[in-house]
Amino acid sequence: DGGITQSPKYLFRKEGQNVTLSCEQNLNHDAMYWYRQDPGQGLRLIYYSQIVNDFQKGDIAEGYSVSREKKESFPLTVTSAQKNPTAFYLCASSPTGTGIYEQYFGPGTRLTVT
Amino acid sequence: GEDVEQSLFLSVREGDSSVINCTYTDSSSTYLYWYKQEPGAGLQLLTYIFSNMDMKQDQRLTVLLNKKDKHLSLRIADTQTGDSAIYFCAESTPNDYKLSFGAGTTVTVRA
Repeated sequence: DGGITQSPKYLFRKEGQNVTLSCEQNLNHDAMYWYRQDPGQGLRLIYYSQIVNDFQKGDIAEGYSVSREKKESFPLTVTSAQKNPTAFYLCASSPTGTGIYEQYFGPGTRLTVT
Repeated sequence: GEDVEQSLFLSVREGDSSVINCTYTDSSSTYLYWYKQEPGAGLQLLTYIFSNMDMKQDQRLTVLLNKKDKHLSLRIADTQTGDSAIYFCAESTPNDYKLSFGAGTTVTVRA
C-alpha cells in the first residue's frame, strides 16, 4: 500500500527547543517537499528536494532545516530560530520523469509551540 | 512569475452543482491541478488538466480551462455533504517541479 506517512500527527514543544518532523514515502518518487499551512491561508513552500543529497530553499526557509540522505525520507527540523513555529506542516512527494509533477501529500503534523 | 487566485468561500445546497473558480497568471503553465483538503487532513489530488486541453471530465468532476482568460474552474455535480472541504487549484510550469497554490476555496454544503 503506497503512500506518504508523517509522524507524529500532533506535536507539542516548549519555546526554544528544536523539533524534527518525520516524512517517509514508499512511492519511489525522486522529489519531496515541505509546506507550512496557517489557518485560512494557502500552502507556503519551506524546502524541497529533487534528488537524494540535494535540496533547495523554498519561500519561507528561515528557521528550518532539512536533510535528504535517503530517497524515502525527508525530515524537517523546526529550529528555535523560527519565530512563529505553531502551524500545520505538510509533506509531499512527486515523480520527476513523467512531465506531470503531481504532488501527493501526507496527512500532516500539527505542531504547537508554547 | 506564478500567481494563483481563488475566491475564498462557496456555499451550495446539497444536490446542486458547485463551481469553484481559479485564475492564474503564468502563460507557460503546463499542468493545472485541483486538490481537496478535508479538516485536519492532507491534500488529496482530485484531477489535473494539461494546458492544451479545454475540458476534462471524471465522474462528478468537470474541469474547464479558458487559456485566453487564464481561468480554470472545477464543477462538482450533485454536491454531497462529503464534498464540504477546502479546494485548492495549483499550477506547474515547464521544467519546474514546484507547484504554485491558490489560497483555497472553502466549500460548505448545506442541507
